[in-house]
Amino acid sequence: NAGVTQTPKFRVLKTGQSMTLLCAQDMNHEYMYWYRQDPGMGLRLIHYSVGEGTTAKGEVPDGYNVSRLKKQNFLLGLESAAPSQTSVYFCASSLYSPMNTEAFFGQGTRLTVV
Amino acid sequence: KQEVTQIPAALSVPEGENLVLNCSFTDSAIYNLQWFRQDPGKGLTSLLLIQSSQREQTSGRLNASLDKSSGRSTLYIAASQPGDSATYLCAVVSGAGSYQLTFGKGTKLSVIP
Repeated sequence: NAGVTQTPKFRVLKTGQSMTLLCAQDMNHEYMYWYRQDPGMGLRLIHYSVGEGTTAKGEVPDGYNVSRLKKQNFLLGLESAAPSQTSVYFCASSLYSPMNTEAFFGQGTRLTVV
Repeated sequence: KQEVTQIPAALSVPEGENLVLNCSFTDSAIYNLQWFRQDPGKGLTSLLLIQSSQREQTSGRLNASLDKSSGRSTLYIAASQPGDSATYLCAVVSGAGSYQLTFGKGTKLSVIP
């Protein structure tokens, strides 16, 4: 029972490079989310999806894009990485709205932009 | 804007002690509150989910209570063990149509053998 799986677990980028973080869930959840965790800031929502083919902006969406072409996958893209995007990124999913159901998180991706 | 506070930021207790972790939130109109555990360099593990209509939830040695009107929740850990050492986070969902969990910054718990 894998749950929520994130790829890769670690990555170092140079300023201006691009990359895609992959999140996969095997629980048939409708809702998926990307959060970032920074020291002293807590977790903040970047983007989320309420179903296949849908995406929406969260609290801190600037500099990121997302896609949900398949229900089980949620991709987070950085088109031109900046040092301010150095963070730990967490993907999460929930069966339905977080107003009603529990959220499950992946193991995280530690990204460093130099 | 909803704000979630967890005090203290760090707590150290001897093994076997019962302990309480605190979480407070500024907007009492929440849908639910969830407690998580985070081990160093790892992801978040869900511990307990309390819906707004509930007063408490229990799982093994863990008991979480919710007092919506006062904007507070507590996580009670009975007979603490060194394996309980981790950072504990609480998060709330609030606001019409909100899809966001608003997190506290966590309490780092150390259980000393």
